[in-house]
Amino acid sequence: RKEVEQDPGPFNVPEGATVAFNCTYSNSASQSFFWYRQDCRKEPKLLMSVYSSGNEDGRFTAQLNRASQYISLLIRDSKLSDSATYLCVVSHNAGNMLTFGGGTRLMVKP
Amino acid sequence: DTGVSQDPRHKITKRGQNVTFRCDPISEHNRLYWYRQTLGQGPEFLTYFQNEAQLEKSRLLSDRFSAERPKGSFSTLEIQRTEQGDSAMYLCASRGAGTEAFFGQGTRLTVV
Repeated sequence: RKEVEQDPGPFNVPEGATVAFNCTYSNSASQSFFWYRQDCRKEPKLLMSVYSSGNEDGRFTAQLNRASQYISLLIRDSKLSDSATYLCVVSHNAGNMLTFGGGTRLMVKP
Repeated sequence: DTGVSQDPRHKITKRGQNVTFRCDPISEHNRLYWYRQTLGQGPEFLTYFQNEAQLEKSRLLSDRFSAERPKGSFSTLEIQRTEQGDSAMYLCASRGAGTEAFFGQGTRLTVV
């Protein structure tokens, strides 16, 4: 079993739709959680950190469920420019180790 | 450019040859990571440095792979006796005091 698991998708949604991704992690000692975005043939870039109480950044909402060991990302009012792969990242070992999920591909269509 | 820099961007090599990649992290970032990524997969952890000390190394990393960060600044990743299965994008990332890891644009290795 992979340490961080994601549905690879692709998720094909129309512009304006709301879409949600989940990510599960196996290490209960995980301390920090992030969502990264990766465009085709580009490097990953931080989208947002995920806090215990949940957090929102514009159209993006991230939530953490420690009991069930999953994190989620909700994107509202999808834009064409949201098309990318979204990588779930989990950190343990005093916050230094970063383990990536396989990514979820999102395609927003006109 | 003050971002993470990797060199070369592309490398084509014959099977059995040795290759070396370089990563220049963001200045004063003490944490440096190497990842490998293949098409359709997420980045796979290879190794981690804090300053010049190599603190973590993936069990997936065979003896043909070695990484160094001699002065706690730039790092090199060497692959000896390359195999076709080594073909991938090799990504370097650095982190400072904050939580965000910044990635370089990667070195794409093709072993023929």
